[in-house]
Amino acid sequence: EAGVVQSPRYKIIEKKQPVAFWCNPISGHNTLYWYRQNLGQGPELLIRYENEEAVDDSQLPKDRFSAERLKGVDSTLKIQPAELGDSAVYLCASSPRTGFNYGYTFGSGTRLTVV
Amino acid sequence: GDSVTQMEGPVTLSEEAFLTINCTYTATGYPSLFWYVQYPGEGLQLLLKATKADDKGSNKGFEATYRKETTSFHLEKGSVQVSDSAVYFCALSVKTGGGADGLTFGKGTHLIIQP
Repeated sequence: EAGVVQSPRYKIIEKKQPVAFWCNPISGHNTLYWYRQNLGQGPELLIRYENEEAVDDSQLPKDRFSAERLKGVDSTLKIQPAELGDSAVYLCASSPRTGFNYGYTFGSGTRLTVV
Repeated sequence: GDSVTQMEGPVTLSEEAFLTINCTYTATGYPSLFWYVQYPGEGLQLLLKATKADDKGSNKGFEATYRKETTSFHLEKGSVQVSDSAVYFCALSVKTGGGADGLTFGKGTHLIIQP
């Protein structure tokens, strides 16, 4: 079974430029999450999807961040415009509806560097 | 809100030593508890989990017991190996509605095992 697939693996952009990250979850996993992990810190939740619906986006900086999960499968996270403080690893995770009981599977992440 | 507190690292041990990484939590509901491991250059991997009080999660010689009375989930291993060197994250998830809530992570503990 393929795991959670993310691309690109690395991205370097200049500040004020747009950037997008893509995630394909494990087949059959209804719930998809985007996290941000700053250097030396634990991941922090940005947004949670149940199928195509964003059910928790309270931590997403909506002035510059947006996300979509069309058709309830793969998802895209976008930043426009990027700021220096956005440099971090962006992680995607998925779970069955009962991820609470069975755990969450993470992708390898996209390391973003804003210069 | 929910939070997880881990002992700060780095934790440096000799091979075959006994390992304990402390983790305590606060949660608004009845959480599931997890330990994730992040090896150098790799993504987060689920190490073990426990979904109710007094449950013991175990994997690869690691174990942790869900202690509701002390709100703790300490990670232990009887004899560590150099290959256990990694960053370890304690995390919790609280079930909301009918879905799987996101994870709240601690800051991580960097474990270094010397031969």
